[in-house]
Amino acid sequence: ETGVTQSPTHLIKTRGQQVTLRCSSQSGHNTVSWYQQALGQGPQFIFQYYREEENGRGNFPPRFSGLQFPNYSSELNVNALELDDSALYLCASSLVASGGPTYFGPGTRLLVL
Amino acid sequence: AQSVTQLDSHVSVSEGTPVLLRCNYSSSYSPSLFWYVQHPNKGLQLLLKYTSAATLVKGINGFEAEFKKSETSFHLTKPSAHMSDAAEYFCVVSEGYGGATNKLIFGTGTLLAVQP
Repeated sequence: ETGVTQSPTHLIKTRGQQVTLRCSSQSGHNTVSWYQQALGQGPQFIFQYYREEENGRGNFPPRFSGLQFPNYSSELNVNALELDDSALYLCASSLVASGGPTYFGPGTRLLVL
Repeated sequence: AQSVTQLDSHVSVSEGTPVLLRCNYSSSYSPSLFWYVQHPNKGLQLLLKYTSAATLVKGINGFEAEFKKSETSFHLTKPSAHMSDAAEYFCVVSEGYGGATNKLIFGTGTLLAVQP
């Protein structure tokens, strides 16, 4: 078990709604990343936060946004939900420049109806 | 751009027989490569990591991988499969991103089935 926790574990929303997913990083880790894993696929990088600033973004539209807090916890917000947003959302934490590994949380499974 | 290709989407072995999961990478410089495992309804767990210190990398649960630059490969092996090894395995390359690293690029995954 890693020290990365996510909430909620499961979530059902309807198209057009907004959702906020939460993540607590492993103790001492200052970088948090979010990944989307659609069914049957590998995780795709959404964005990364370091020192409360977005520091890298994958191929996701602006309706995917995030926050990192001073305690290094993080939120992923998705506006105007679409059916294709249904996926497992994974939070990952790491310590930048340490060469150390990235640890993943168990994920939040989002279903958009 | 860096990428990884997992050559098999499904691999089935018998318990006690060797495991080989194949991965090729594409990188313009010396990459950081990883193997992660994902059990059903569980998060991703790091199996092992290569960062140029040694070409043969030993990981957890008896897994190891060999970095072969001439073949641009990073195959995952285990001498003897156990039923608990049944899971999805991802080959991953790290892409540096500005001053902070750790954008991970995942392969499409290999589903390992272990038959009794």
